[in-house]
Amino acid sequence: GENVEQHPSTLSVQEGDSAVIKCTYSDSASNYFPWYKQELGKRPQLIIDIRSNVGEKKDQRIAVTLNKTAKHFSLHITETQPEDSAVYFCAAWRNSGGYQKVTFGTGTKLQVIP
Amino acid sequence: DAGVTQSPTHLIKTRGQQVTLRCSPISGHKSVSWYQQVLGQGPQFIFQYYEKEERGRGNFPDRFSARQFPNYSSELNVNALLLGDSALYLCASTLNPDTNTGELFFGEGSRLTVL
Repeated sequence: GENVEQHPSTLSVQEGDSAVIKCTYSDSASNYFPWYKQELGKRPQLIIDIRSNVGEKKDQRIAVTLNKTAKHFSLHITETQPEDSAVYFCAAWRNSGGYQKVTFGTGTKLQVIP
Repeated sequence: DAGVTQSPTHLIKTRGQQVTLRCSPISGHKSVSWYQQVLGQGPQFIFQYYEKEERGRGNFPDRFSARQFPNYSSELNVNALLLGDSALYLCASTLNPDTNTGELFFGEGSRLTVL
C-alpha cells in the first residue's frame, strides 16, 4: 500500500520568513497530491493541489512542487503570517479505474512567530 | 449553500457497543468518503462511496462498514467498539471522483470517545 512520509513534524518560523514542508510517497501510481490546512478543532481545508503531469503550481504565497522521479512533493509558504499557523497535511491520491485511495501524511505543525 | 454535515458531533460509547455516524454531502456531490483522525495524526482513509457503490477501502477491520443511500448521504457503522476507536471521524464529499477533480470537502467531524 501507499506510504506517505511528511517532514518536519513541527516548524517554527518568524513572521515574514518562508516555510517548507516536504513529503515523500511510495506508490508510483499516485497521481494527485493535495495539501490541507487544519486549524485547531476545525476541519481540514484544501489550500493547494498538484497533479502528476505538472511539476509546479503557485497560488499567491503558496506553491507546491512535485518530483515524480524521486516521489516527493513540497509545500512552500512565503512571507508567512501568524494566521498561517496551523497543522498542514500532505496527501497522495490514487485514482485508477474509478477506485480511489487517499493516504495522508502525519502532519506538520507550523507556528509563525510575530 | 450547506457544506458537508455530520451527526452527531460528539458521542461517548463503551467498549463492545456499536455506533452509527451520519453524513450528508454537499448538494450535487455524489461521492462520500470517511476518514479516522486520531489526535495528533493525519486522517486515515476508511471508505469511499460513489453512486452507492464502494469505490475504495482502507486498512480497517471488518468491524467498520458503510453504505450510501439514494440521496447520496452515508452512514459509517463501527461494531464491537475498542478503546482505540476513539477518534475524530471525518466525512468528505467530492463532485465526481471519475473526473479526477479530487478536491475533498470535509465536514466538521464526529468525535467518538470509547470508554
